[in-house]
Amino acid sequence: QSALTQPASVSGSPGQSITISCTGTSNDIGSYNIVSWYQQHPGKAPKLMIYEVIKRPSGVSNRFSGSKSGNTASLTISGLQAEDEADYYCCSYVGGVVFGGGTKVTVL
Amino acid sequence: QFQLVQSGAEVKKPGSSVKVSCKASGGTLNTHPISWVRQAPGQGLEWMGGIIPFFSAPNYAQMFQGRVTITTDKSTSTAYMELSSLRSEDTAVYYCARGNPQWEPFYYYYIDIWGEGTAVTVSS
Repeated sequence: QSALTQPASVSGSPGQSITISCTGTSNDIGSYNIVSWYQQHPGKAPKLMIYEVIKRPSGVSNRFSGSKSGNTASLTISGLQAEDEADYYCCSYVGGVVFGGGTKVTVL
Repeated sequence: QFQLVQSGAEVKKPGSSVKVSCKASGGTLNTHPISWVRQAPGQGLEWMGGIIPFFSAPNYAQMFQGRVTITTDKSTSTAYMELSSLRSEDTAVYYCARGNPQWEPFYYYYIDIWGEGTAVTVSS
C-alpha cells in the first residue's frame, strides 16, 4: 500500500483544467517541500514534470503546475490536450523514495 | 546528454536470481544517487532501494530487504541491481533512475532521469 494517496482516475475535455491530488501526512508532504510528479505513457519510462512542489524542469510545458496545501500536494494540467493522457505519479522522500499509487488521466 | 542504458530483457526460473545493469552515458555516477524502481504489469511504481555515493551503503525498501542487492562500479559508471529468490510476482519492468541530490532541509534526492527499463519475466 502506497504511503501517498492519489485518485485512481481523473478525466477532462480538451482545453479544460484538471487537478490531481496527492495526500501524505504531516511527517512528509505536510512538513517539507519534497514532492515531485512524473508522467508515464504506456510502455515508456516515467518523465519528471514537477519537482520541489512547484518547479518545472526545462522543457516541460507551463501548462503543468504544482502546489501544496497542508498534507496534500496537487498537480494541475491546464489547457488539457490529447497528449496529456497518461498515468501520473506523485513522489516524496521519507528515508527513501515513496510513490503514490498513480492516477490515470483520460482526455474525453 | 546524460543517459542511463540498461541491460536487456531476462527470463528466469522461480528461485533463481537476476542481475540488471545500468550504465551511465554522458556523465558519471560519482556524485548522484541511483535508485531502482519496478513496475509490475498494470501496476504502479514501486521503489526498491537506492545507493548514495557519499554514504556508500545502500538503502533498501523494507519489502525487499534480504532479497535485493544494489551496487555501483564507479570505474565503469555502472550500477547493478540483483534480486534473488525470484517468484512469479517479481515479473515486472525494472528501472534504474538517477537522483538529483539536495541538502536542505536534510539530504534527500528527487529522481530526474530514468533508464529505459528492463523487462524481467519469472516463469517455470
